[in-house]
Amino acid sequence: QLQLQESGPGLVKPSETLSLTCTVSGGSISSSSYYWGWIRQPPGKGLEWIGSISYSGSTYYNPSLKSRVTISVDTSKNQFSLKVSSVTAADTAVYYCARLSKYSDYDWIYAFDIWGHGTMVTVSS
Amino acid sequence: SSELTQDPAVSVALGQTVRITCQGDSLRIYYASWYQLKPGQAPVLVIYGTNNRPSGIPDRFSGSSSGNTASLTITGAQAEDEADYYCNSRDSSGNHLNVVFGGGTKLTVL
Repeated sequence: QLQLQESGPGLVKPSETLSLTCTVSGGSISSSSYYWGWIRQPPGKGLEWIGSISYSGSTYYNPSLKSRVTISVDTSKNQFSLKVSSVTAADTAVYYCARLSKYSDYDWIYAFDIWGHGTMVTVSS
Repeated sequence: SSELTQDPAVSVALGQTVRITCQGDSLRIYYASWYQLKPGQAPVLVIYGTNNRPSGIPDRFSGSSSGNTASLTITGAQAEDEADYYCNSRDSSGNHLNVVFGGGTKLTVL
C-alpha cells in the first residue's frame, strides 16, 4: 500500500527558506500515470495548492507562489521536495504531500488520491 | 481569492441527506474532485471525475454536476461524516496541471 510521509523542520525563521521532503513508500515514484504535489493549509483557512511535479521533473506551480517555490524529484530515493524562499508568517501552515493520479488525460480527470498526514511548519523568529 | 466557491458551513440531521456545492466557471469544462478533511488525519479523496467513488468510499457519497456547479451529496449522513469538505478542479490559467481548491465547507451532523 502506497504511503507518503512529509519530513522537515517545524520552525523556520522569517526571510529564510522552508524545505520539506516527501518520502514515497510501498510503490515507485517513477510512473507516467502519476504526478506528485504539495498542498498547504494555514491555520483556520482552506487548502491551497502549491505545485506539482512529474517523475521526469516537469513542474507546475501556483502562480501566486511561483516566484518563491521550487519542487524537485529524486527518483533514486523515491522522494520529492519543496522549497519556499523568503518565508513570512503567512507561510505558516500544515504542509501536505499527495499523489496526483491521472484517471483520464483526454477528459482531464485528475485527483489527489493518496495524501500524507501533513507536517506543521511555523514561521517565527 | 478562490476560483471555486463553497458555502462555509452546512448542517444535516443524522440519517438525512445533505448536498454540498461548489461553484466556478472552470466547472463548466473540467471535472471536480472532493476531499474529506478531519483534524489530525490525512485528507481522503471521496469523489473524482465529478461522480466516481474511489475504492473504500461508502456509496452514500455521490457527486454530480450541472453548469458551473458541482455537488457532493451524502445520502443518510452518519456521525463520522462530520468533517470539512473541499472541492478541487483545474484552474483557468491554461496550464495543464494547475489546479485550485474551493474554500471548504464545514459539515456538522446533528
